[in-house]
Amino acid sequence: DIQMTQSPSSLSASVGDRITISCRASQGISNFLAWYQQKPGRVPKLLIYAASTLQSGVPSRFSGSGSGTDFTLTISTLQPEDVATYYCQKYNSAPLTFGLGTKVEIK
Amino acid sequence: QLQLQESGPGLVKPSETLSLTCTVSGGSISSSSHFWGWIRQPPGMALEWIGSIHYSGSTYYNPSLRSRVTISVDTSKSQFSVKLTYVTAADTAVYYCAGSRWSPWNWFDPWGQGTLVTVSS
Repeated sequence: DIQMTQSPSSLSASVGDRITISCRASQGISNFLAWYQQKPGRVPKLLIYAASTLQSGVPSRFSGSGSGTDFTLTISTLQPEDVATYYCQKYNSAPLTFGLGTKVEIK
Repeated sequence: QLQLQESGPGLVKPSETLSLTCTVSGGSISSSSHFWGWIRQPPGMALEWIGSIHYSGSTYYNPSLRSRVTISVDTSKSQFSVKLTYVTAADTAVYYCAGSRWSPWNWFDPWGQGTLVTVSS
């Protein structure tokens, strides 16, 4: 099975900072990658699919990039409401697999 | 707007069977372009896909759980269900139902609110 490795596992940044989260697949998955945001005690919310397509209604400060094995989620200007855990998910084939998550906090 | 809602017991005894149902509203469970999935999340841990189903009855399971999982659909009630047999404490998790489009191999949106199932005697 293809493994999804996220890094870092957690980060702390200041409001207004640009942050990046990495997701690496153990084998190439083309652009079959989604990103979710899960705020504490809440349901996961789809942010990005097809590696770089922003889901409707998601703020433009979120962006995704990458293809093959290396992917990045970027928040261009971190806001207090972005405190959450972010998960990547690969969907090129079975089994559907999520990364272990990156917890984002505000300094 | 498509909405999903999980229901079922919040407490299951070890070695017994966990059974949950997801009710779909705001759209048709019999849409040929939709697939319906179950995902779980142990407390403080990551998400794990359990399996998915199409209204036609085609099922897709995570190999790690295949021997214990059955997912079924009841189009007359606009519901799909998951059964997980021989549960242990490791099966304690928030269980989410979710929808995906066009393929069982896709992203999930929307999600239900989730329901916590605790395995304990």
